[in-house]
Amino acid sequence: SQKIEQNSEALNIQEGKTATLTCNYTNYSPAYLQWYRQDPGRGPVFLLLIRENEKEKRKERLKVTFDTTLKQSLFHITASQPADSATYLCALPVSGGSYIPTFGRGTSLIVHP
Amino acid sequence: NAGVTQTPKFQVLKTGQSMTLQCAQDMNHNSMYWYRQDPGMGLRLIYYSASEGTTDKGEVPNGYNVSRLNKREFSLRLESAAPSQTSVYFCASSENSYEQYFGPGTRLTVT
Repeated sequence: SQKIEQNSEALNIQEGKTATLTCNYTNYSPAYLQWYRQDPGRGPVFLLLIRENEKEKRKERLKVTFDTTLKQSLFHITASQPADSATYLCALPVSGGSYIPTFGRGTSLIVHP
Repeated sequence: NAGVTQTPKFQVLKTGQSMTLQCAQDMNHNSMYWYRQDPGMGLRLIYYSASEGTTDKGEVPNGYNVSRLNKREFSLRLESAAPSQTSVYFCASSENSYEQYFGPGTRLTVT
């Protein structure tokens, strides 16, 4: 069955550095992959979507890469700020018959001032 | 423009009690979803509705029922609550199959 893997250990970085989060998946080749941000006690918020034919996508300080050969997406936050501290979830469809994304368990990012 | 709203925000039930979680969206989206989120398990899809008048099971539908009342509203019902249903429940909506908009969640405890 499809598996989505995100590092369960929190990522601690210093303010101003680039944070890099990883999402690995197995088996299925998804048509797209999404990244969401979730703050404690709140619902996830959509950040970026990248399609299978796109290698990289940017939005302000965010950059997402999608390597369909490695079955991996990297999510970068440049010039990180304490306000970027949150849990980041990747999501992708896990079967050809479904368009609905399945969510990874998320990685917690903590940016220290 | 409130986005996705959910009621109640918090609920405590005794085992065997029933309740309905309400969800409404004002973005005119066709698709709506119910998820549960448990520590260490991530978000899991319970049911979804691709359009008004249709509903389908997700990954963990057992013990739940849903109703797509109209295009705006999608409710989740627990007929006989069990402690295993203690969780945070999120409703979401989307226009296409991609970007989902989530509500603030309902924190349910079943004792």
